Amino acid sequence: EAQVTQNPRYLITVTGKKLTVTCSQNMNHEYMSWYRQDPGLGLRQIYYSMNVEVTDKGDVPEGYKVSRKEKRNFPLILESPSPNQTSLYFCASRGLLNTEAFFGQGTRLTVV
Amino acid sequence: SQQGEEDPQALSIQEGENATMNCSYKTSINNLQWYRQNSGRGLVHLILIRSNEREKHSGRLRVTLDTSKKSSSLLITASRAADTASYFCATDGSNDYKLSFGAGTTVTVRA
Repeated sequence: EAQVTQNPRYLITVTGKKLTVTCSQNMNHEYMSWYRQDPGLGLRQIYYSMNVEVTDKGDVPEGYKVSRKEKRNFPLILESPSPNQTSLYFCASRGLLNTEAFFGQGTRLTVV
Repeated sequence: SQQGEEDPQALSIQEGENATMNCSYKTSINNLQWYRQNSGRGLVHLILIRSNEREKHSGRLRVTLDTSKKSSSLLITASRAADTASYFCATDGSNDYKLSFGAGTTVTVRA
Protein backbone atom coordinates (compact mmCIF):
# COMPACT_ATOMS: atom_id res chain seq x y z
CA GLU A 1 0.00 0.00 0.00
CA ALA A 2 1.30 3.43 -0.98
CA GLN A 3 1.82 5.46 2.12
CA VAL A 4 3.68 8.17 3.98
CA THR A 5 4.43 7.25 7.58
CA GLN A 6 5.14 9.80 10.27
CA ASN A 7 6.23 9.15 13.82
CA PRO A 8 5.33 9.95 16.47
CA ARG A 9 1.66 10.90 16.06
CA TYR A 10 1.62 12.87 19.30
CA LEU A 11 4.48 14.45 21.18
CA ILE A 12 4.67 16.68 24.23
CA THR A 13 8.10 18.07 25.01
CA VAL A 14 9.77 20.85 26.96
CA THR A 15 11.38 23.97 25.60
CA GLY A 16 14.91 23.39 24.38
CA LYS A 17 14.86 19.60 24.25
CA LYS A 18 15.93 18.44 20.80
CA LEU A 19 13.49 16.23 18.95
CA THR A 20 13.14 14.50 15.61
CA VAL A 21 9.96 13.65 13.74
CA THR A 22 10.49 10.89 11.21
CA CYS A 23 8.88 10.59 7.80
CA SER A 24 9.15 7.69 5.40
CA GLN A 25 7.51 7.01 2.03
CA ASN A 26 7.35 3.79 0.02
CA MET A 27 6.52 5.22 -3.41
CA ASN A 28 10.04 6.08 -4.59
CA HIS A 29 9.01 9.73 -4.80
CA GLU A 30 11.65 12.32 -5.53
CA TYR A 31 9.93 15.21 -3.79
CA MET A 32 9.27 15.35 -0.05
CA SER A 33 8.23 18.25 2.12
CA TRP A 34 7.19 19.29 5.61
CA TYR A 35 4.26 21.53 6.46
CA ARG A 36 2.90 22.94 9.65
CA GLN A 37 -0.78 23.64 10.09
CA ASP A 38 -2.08 26.28 12.46
CA PRO A 39 -5.70 27.44 12.90
CA GLY A 40 -6.69 29.99 10.28
CA LEU A 41 -3.34 29.80 8.50
CA GLY A 42 -3.71 26.66 6.44
CA LEU A 43 -0.61 24.68 5.61
CA ARG A 44 2.70 26.46 5.47
CA GLN A 45 5.74 24.80 4.01
CA ILE A 46 8.78 24.44 6.27
CA TYR A 47 11.34 22.65 4.08
CA TYR A 48 11.29 20.58 0.96
CA SER A 49 13.61 18.23 -0.89
CA MET A 50 13.77 17.53 -4.60
CA ASN A 51 16.01 14.47 -4.20
CA VAL A 52 18.68 12.88 -2.04
CA GLU A 53 21.04 15.47 -0.54
CA VAL A 54 18.97 18.31 -2.07
CA THR A 55 16.96 20.38 0.42
CA ASP A 56 15.63 23.91 0.42
CA LYS A 57 13.76 26.30 2.66
CA GLY A 58 10.05 26.75 2.42
CA ASP A 59 8.07 29.67 3.81
CA VAL A 60 8.69 29.13 7.54
CA PRO A 61 12.06 27.37 8.00
CA GLU A 62 13.30 29.16 11.13
CA GLY A 63 13.93 26.79 14.03
CA TYR A 64 13.84 23.64 11.88
CA LYS A 65 16.36 21.40 10.13
CA VAL A 66 15.94 18.55 7.71
CA SER A 67 18.10 15.98 6.00
CA ARG A 68 17.64 13.71 2.99
CA LYS A 69 20.28 11.01 3.12
CA GLU A 70 18.03 8.35 1.61
CA LYS A 71 15.25 8.78 -0.92
CA ARG A 72 12.56 7.31 1.32
CA ASN A 73 13.29 9.26 4.52
CA PHE A 74 12.98 12.94 5.33
CA PRO A 75 13.23 13.64 9.08
CA LEU A 76 12.32 16.99 10.61
CA ILE A 77 14.61 18.14 13.41
CA LEU A 78 13.88 20.76 16.03
CA GLU A 79 17.21 21.49 17.70
CA SER A 80 15.77 23.72 20.41
CA PRO A 81 11.98 23.68 20.33
CA SER A 82 10.03 26.68 21.56
CA PRO A 83 6.32 27.05 22.43
CA ASN A 84 5.62 28.85 19.13
CA GLN A 85 6.46 25.58 17.36
CA THR A 86 3.45 23.94 18.93
CA SER A 87 1.52 22.86 15.86
CA LEU A 88 0.25 20.04 13.70
CA TYR A 89 2.97 18.83 11.32
CA PHE A 90 2.53 16.98 8.06
CA CYS A 91 5.02 15.26 5.84
CA ALA A 92 4.16 14.83 2.17
CA SER A 93 5.72 13.18 -0.86
CA ARG A 94 5.05 13.32 -4.58
CA GLY A 95 6.58 12.63 -7.94
CA LEU A 96 7.63 15.68 -9.93
CA LEU A 97 5.56 16.92 -12.85
CA ASN A 98 1.78 17.25 -12.44
CA THR A 99 1.39 14.73 -9.66
CA GLU A 100 -0.65 14.58 -6.49
CA ALA A 101 0.90 14.72 -3.04
CA PHE A 102 0.50 11.97 -0.47
CA PHE A 103 0.33 13.06 3.14
CA GLY A 104 1.22 11.39 6.38
CA GLN A 105 -1.30 11.25 9.21
CA GLY A 106 0.27 14.17 11.02
CA THR A 107 2.24 14.76 14.20
CA ARG A 108 0.67 16.90 16.88
CA LEU A 109 3.50 18.58 18.73
CA THR A 110 3.13 20.51 21.97
CA VAL A 111 6.10 22.40 23.38
CA VAL A 112 5.68 23.55 26.98
CA SER B 1 3.86 32.94 1.26
CA GLN B 2 0.48 31.34 0.65
CA GLN B 3 -0.48 31.22 -2.98
CA GLY B 4 -4.10 30.16 -2.86
CA GLU B 5 -6.91 31.69 -0.89
CA GLU B 6 -10.23 29.94 -0.47
CA ASP B 7 -13.61 31.54 -0.16
CA PRO B 8 -15.76 31.23 1.88
CA GLN B 9 -13.88 30.30 5.04
CA ALA B 10 -16.83 28.24 6.22
CA LEU B 11 -19.96 26.80 4.64
CA SER B 12 -22.94 25.04 6.18
CA ILE B 13 -25.43 23.22 3.97
CA GLN B 14 -28.21 20.67 4.18
CA GLU B 15 -27.62 17.13 3.03
CA GLY B 16 -28.48 16.84 -0.66
CA GLU B 17 -27.60 20.45 -1.47
CA ASN B 18 -24.62 21.49 -3.55
CA ALA B 19 -21.52 23.09 -2.04
CA THR B 20 -19.38 25.53 -3.96
CA MET B 21 -16.07 26.98 -2.86
CA ASN B 22 -13.61 29.18 -4.66
CA CYS B 23 -9.86 29.56 -4.78
CA SER B 24 -7.85 32.52 -6.01
CA TYR B 25 -4.11 32.52 -6.58
CA LYS B 26 -1.44 35.00 -7.51
CA THR B 27 1.19 33.63 -9.88
CA SER B 28 1.28 31.37 -12.92
CA ILE B 29 0.77 27.67 -12.28
CA ASN B 30 1.36 24.24 -13.81
CA ASN B 31 -1.76 22.87 -12.21
CA LEU B 32 -4.17 23.40 -9.36
CA GLN B 33 -5.21 20.66 -6.96
CA TRP B 34 -7.93 20.22 -4.39
CA TYR B 35 -7.53 18.26 -1.17
CA ARG B 36 -9.85 17.24 1.65
CA GLN B 37 -8.97 17.01 5.32
CA ASN B 38 -11.12 15.31 7.92
CA SER B 39 -10.76 16.78 11.40
CA GLY B 40 -6.99 17.18 11.86
CA ARG B 41 -6.05 14.13 9.84
CA GLY B 42 -3.84 13.91 6.77
CA LEU B 43 -4.91 15.59 3.56
CA VAL B 44 -6.35 13.44 0.81
CA HIS B 45 -6.03 14.36 -2.85
CA LEU B 46 -9.35 14.91 -4.66
CA ILE B 47 -8.63 16.22 -8.12
CA LEU B 48 -5.93 17.87 -10.24
CA ILE B 49 -6.64 20.25 -13.08
CA ARG B 50 -3.84 21.32 -15.41
CA SER B 51 -3.33 24.90 -16.50
CA ASN B 52 -4.54 24.13 -20.04
CA GLU B 53 -7.80 22.56 -18.81
CA ARG B 54 -10.95 24.51 -18.00
CA GLU B 55 -13.15 21.93 -16.32
CA LYS B 56 -12.77 18.49 -14.81
CA HIS B 57 -15.15 16.03 -13.18
CA SER B 58 -14.64 13.21 -10.73
CA GLY B 59 -17.76 11.53 -9.36
CA ARG B 60 -19.74 14.24 -7.54
CA LEU B 61 -16.89 16.74 -7.85
CA ARG B 62 -16.62 19.37 -10.53
CA VAL B 63 -13.63 21.68 -10.75
CA THR B 64 -13.24 24.69 -12.99
CA LEU B 65 -10.13 26.73 -13.68
CA ASP B 66 -9.93 30.22 -15.13
CA THR B 67 -6.28 31.12 -15.58
CA SER B 68 -7.12 34.61 -16.86
CA LYS B 69 -8.78 35.38 -13.52
CA LYS B 70 -6.38 33.18 -11.55
CA SER B 71 -9.26 31.39 -9.91
CA SER B 72 -10.75 27.94 -9.50
CA SER B 73 -13.96 26.56 -8.05
CA LEU B 74 -14.86 23.22 -6.51
CA LEU B 75 -18.47 22.07 -6.65
CA ILE B 76 -19.66 19.11 -4.60
CA THR B 77 -23.07 17.97 -5.82
CA ALA B 78 -25.70 16.18 -3.74
CA SER B 79 -23.70 16.55 -0.56
CA ARG B 80 -23.64 13.90 2.15
CA ALA B 81 -22.79 14.02 5.84
CA ALA B 82 -19.51 12.29 4.99
CA ASP B 83 -18.50 15.35 2.93
CA THR B 84 -18.12 17.31 6.16
CA ALA B 85 -14.44 18.30 6.09
CA SER B 86 -12.03 21.10 5.28
CA TYR B 87 -11.18 21.61 1.62
CA PHE B 88 -7.92 23.12 0.41
CA CYS B 89 -6.74 24.27 -2.96
CA ALA B 90 -3.06 23.93 -3.75
CA THR B 91 -1.17 25.50 -6.60
CA ASP B 92 1.75 23.87 -8.35
CA GLY B 93 4.11 26.63 -9.45
CA SER B 94 5.26 26.86 -13.03
CA ASN B 95 8.86 27.39 -11.94
CA ASP B 96 9.20 24.79 -9.23
CA TYR B 97 7.48 21.76 -7.74
CA LYS B 98 6.35 23.53 -4.63
CA LEU B 99 2.73 22.96 -3.66
CA SER B 100 1.34 26.04 -1.95
CA PHE B 101 -1.86 25.72 0.06
CA GLY B 102 -4.53 28.17 1.05
CA ALA B 103 -6.21 28.42 4.45
CA GLY B 104 -9.09 26.18 3.44
CA THR B 105 -12.89 26.12 3.46
CA THR B 106 -14.62 24.24 6.27
CA VAL B 107 -17.76 22.54 5.01
CA THR B 108 -20.44 21.23 7.36
CA VAL B 109 -23.20 19.08 5.90
CA ARG B 110 -26.25 18.89 8.15
CA ALA B 111 -28.34 15.74 8.12
